[in-house]
Amino acid sequence: DIQMTQSPSTLSASVGDRVTITCRASQSFDYWLAWYQQKPGKAPKLLIYKASSLEPGVPSRFSGRGSGTEFTLTVSSVQPDDFATYYCQQYASYPYTFGQGTKLEIK
Amino acid sequence: EVQLVQSGAEVKKPGESLKISCKGSGYTFRSHWIDWVRQVPGKGLEWIGVIYPADSDITYSPSFQGQVTISADKSNTTAYLQWGSLKASDTAMYYCARHGVDGNYADFWGQGTLVTVSS
Repeated sequence: DIQMTQSPSTLSASVGDRVTITCRASQSFDYWLAWYQQKPGKAPKLLIYKASSLEPGVPSRFSGRGSGTEFTLTVSSVQPDDFATYYCQQYASYPYTFGQGTKLEIK
Repeated sequence: EVQLVQSGAEVKKPGESLKISCKGSGYTFRSHWIDWVRQVPGKGLEWIGVIYPADSDITYSPSFQGQVTISADKSNTTAYLQWGSLKASDTAMYYCARHGVDGNYADFWGQGTLVTVSS
C-alpha cells in the first residue's frame, strides 16, 4: 500500500495568510493525487485533481503541485470560508489511500 | 445535475446485518466508478473499495476485504454497501463518491450515512 503522510496536522493562520500543506508518499508515482476539503458535518469536496488541476468552481487561491513523493496544496490568501480540514488522496494504485488530514484553524 | 443520495442513518445491534445505498442521478451511472469511504467520528477518511457499475468489477482495500460487501444495480442506478454481522467498531459515517470523467479521483460525494452499532 502507498502510505500518505500529511504535514502539519494542524495549521493556524489568519485571514490573508499564505499557507501550504504537504503530502508525502511512501512510494513514487506521477500525478495521481487529489486534495479534498471537509467541513464539520459535511462530505468532502474535491479541490484539486491530477496534483495540480483545479476543479471547476474552486477559487483560484487554491493550487496544487508536485510529483513523485512530495505534493503540496497552497492557499494563497486564506479566506474565512477556508477554515476546514484538508485531505490528500493517492489514486495511483489500489488501495487508494488518504493522508491523515490537516486542520486549518483560525489563529 | 449530478447527485448521489444516500440512505438514512441506521442504528443497529452487534451481530445484525445491514445494507446501505447510494442512488446516482444526473449522469450515466453505469459509466463511472463508485468509491465507498469510511469516517469514524472525529477521525480521517478511509477508502473501503470501489465498484464499476457497468460490469460490477470490484476492488476492496485489504483492510476491509471480507468485512463488507460492495454491489451495484445499474438498472436502479444504485450502489450498495453491506455487512453480514455488524460490530461496534463499524460505527462510522459512510460516504459514496463518484469517480471523475478523466481520472479516479472522487468528484461528487453523497451526503453520508451514519451507522451506529450499539448494544
